[in-house]
Amino acid sequence: NAGVTQTPKFQVLKTGQSMTLQCAQDMNHNSMYWYRQDPGMGLRLIYYSASEGTTDKGEVPNGYNVSRLNKREFSLRLESAAPSQTSVYFCASSESLLGYNEQFFGPGTRLTVL
Amino acid sequence: AQSVTQPDIHITVSEGASLELRCNYSYGATPYLFWYVQSPGQGLQLLLKYFSGDTLVQGIKGFEAEFKRSQSSFNLRKPSVHWSDAAEYFCAVGNQGGKLIFGQGTELSVKP
Repeated sequence: NAGVTQTPKFQVLKTGQSMTLQCAQDMNHNSMYWYRQDPGMGLRLIYYSASEGTTDKGEVPNGYNVSRLNKREFSLRLESAAPSQTSVYFCASSESLLGYNEQFFGPGTRLTVL
Repeated sequence: AQSVTQPDIHITVSEGASLELRCNYSYGATPYLFWYVQSPGQGLQLLLKYFSGDTLVQGIKGFEAEFKRSQSSFNLRKPSVHWSDAAEYFCAVGNQGGKLIFGQGTELSVKP
């Protein structure tokens, strides 16, 4: 099992460009998440999906959109990238939204916006 | 509001020495508590978690943590640190809605 996979691993964008970060999990999990990691701030939740067909905003959703394509895949889109979106992005999944469920993380996408 | 504080941004210990990483949380109900480790350039891996029962929990790689409700703490410990333990460590609290609130992280360096 690959667990949680993310593509691409690295990306450099110019201000105003758009891109989509892809995430897939093979653990048959219901819930999926997108986080961003910035130095000294830990991980902050951007969007999450409780189950296939649903998505909700997290702590820092501005400038992002998401799509839960099916049970396996959850993508994050930047429509018009800004330098403030330079960060490391992590996708995660869990069996459900119940608070005691472990979240499994992908390896991350390092994004630089110039 | 729920929050997690890791007071130490960076800690350096000698190989073979003991380790304690501090974590304090603010949460109204009984918390679900987690410790994750992130090796350089990698994703996060769960070390251990607490949600009920025995307040001393054992995790992978020889780590343990103790939940102290009276102090709102969930400190991570290891009796003897190995060079491969150098990484960033995150404490997190999980709420009823399944979202994780992370602390700022503690970077651990290990001296030979």
